[in-house]
Order: sequence, then structure tokens, then C-alpha cells
Amino acid sequence: SQQGEEDPQALSIQEGENATMNCSYKTSINNLQWYRQNSGRGLVHLILIRSNEREKHSGRLRVTLDTSKKSSSLLITASRAADTASYFCATAPGGFQKLVFGTGTRLLVSP
Amino acid sequence: DAGVIQSPRHEVTEMGQEVTLRCKPISGHDYLFWYRQTMMRGLELLIYFNNNVPIDDSGMPEDRFSAKMPNASFSTLKIQPSEPRDSAVYFCASSLAGQPQHFGDGTRLSIL
Repeated sequence: SQQGEEDPQALSIQEGENATMNCSYKTSINNLQWYRQNSGRGLVHLILIRSNEREKHSGRLRVTLDTSKKSSSLLITASRAADTASYFCATAPGGFQKLVFGTGTRLLVSP
Repeated sequence: DAGVIQSPRHEVTEMGQEVTLRCKPISGHDYLFWYRQTMMRGLELLIYFNNNVPIDDSGMPEDRFSAKMPNASFSTLKIQPSEPRDSAVYFCASSLAGQPQHFGDGTRLSIL
């Protein structure tokens, strides 16, 4: 079964707009990771946030974590067409290496 | 830097045939993972190795699936006999302990 559920399932925006996607998970965690998957490619790690962190930034990415609500959000600012991809959250309830991925959000950024 | 290399990229075969998927992890990585991705079930961890030893194979769907890692630079996932419901994209990933995983570009498997 999947640990994380992403919301929305699909998101369509224009270049320059911000994109926010959310992830909810079920069990307690040590950290939460976000990955991106371009069509026909493997997943690429974007960012990791630890359970004692509330917010983390990396370039145009901002991740928040609310352990009391068991949820995380990924914000992509000033989106570009190249950001078009599926985005997945992942947790490791059984240990750091054994990742459980969410259902993913498909992001489409139109020029 | 070479990433995780998987072969073949695409495989089409008839049910009942043996299928072997191959993976070369990033040099120096001591963890190797096999995943399966389908529309219905999403991305599922099948098995993972540490230092060539299988650690957790609880995600392997049934005895028709087997995985080996004879050395640090090579792993195989075998399906015998294959069935149409095995059609999926199979990913290999590798990592160092405590570090994020690096994925290959997958093998798209179609069983007719």
C-alpha cells in the first residue's frame, strides 16, 4: 500500500505561475523526500526534509512539513515549461532505505 | 558521471517466456533497489540489496520473480514464466547508505 497520497493528481498552469502540490502520509517519519519524474525517465531526487524541520528551500523549490498533520507541500515558484513532470513524495516508515512513494502529482506547465 | 544503467530499455515478449532485466548501479553505491511502476499500483519496491546481499524481498509479487546481485556492479531481475499482468516499467536505483536514491531510466516491459 502507498504511504503517501498526493493532491492534486494533476495540475495545469502557465509559465511564471507558482505550483503547489501536497502530500499526506500515514505513519511517523524521520524524513520526507520529493522526487521528480519526467516522461519516460527515472525519478530524480529533489529535496529531503527532516522531521525536525518545518521548511526547506532549494532554488525555486520550497518544501514544508507539518508532522502534526502528517503532511508536506512542495512549492515551485516561477514555473517553467521544463518543470513539466510528475512529482512524488516518499517516506521511509521501515527505515531510510525502504522508500514508500505517494501517488504523484502530474504537473503541466504551458508556455 | 555515469548514472544507473538499465537494459534493455524496452522488452516485448510473449507470456510464458523468461524475462531478464539488467542493472548496473553507480560505482561505489552499496544499496541497490528494484521497483515496479504501474498506473494501478504506482511505484512499488520489489527488493533491495546491501553490499550484494538481499535485505528485503517482501515486495516481490510471487515466486515467478527472482533477483540476484552477483557482484557490486551488476544485478538482474528475472521473471519466469512471464504473464501479461507483469507488464510495467521496472526501475533500478542505487544509493549510498543514508543518501537519496539514484534511478535508472527503467525497462518498459510488455507481456503479450
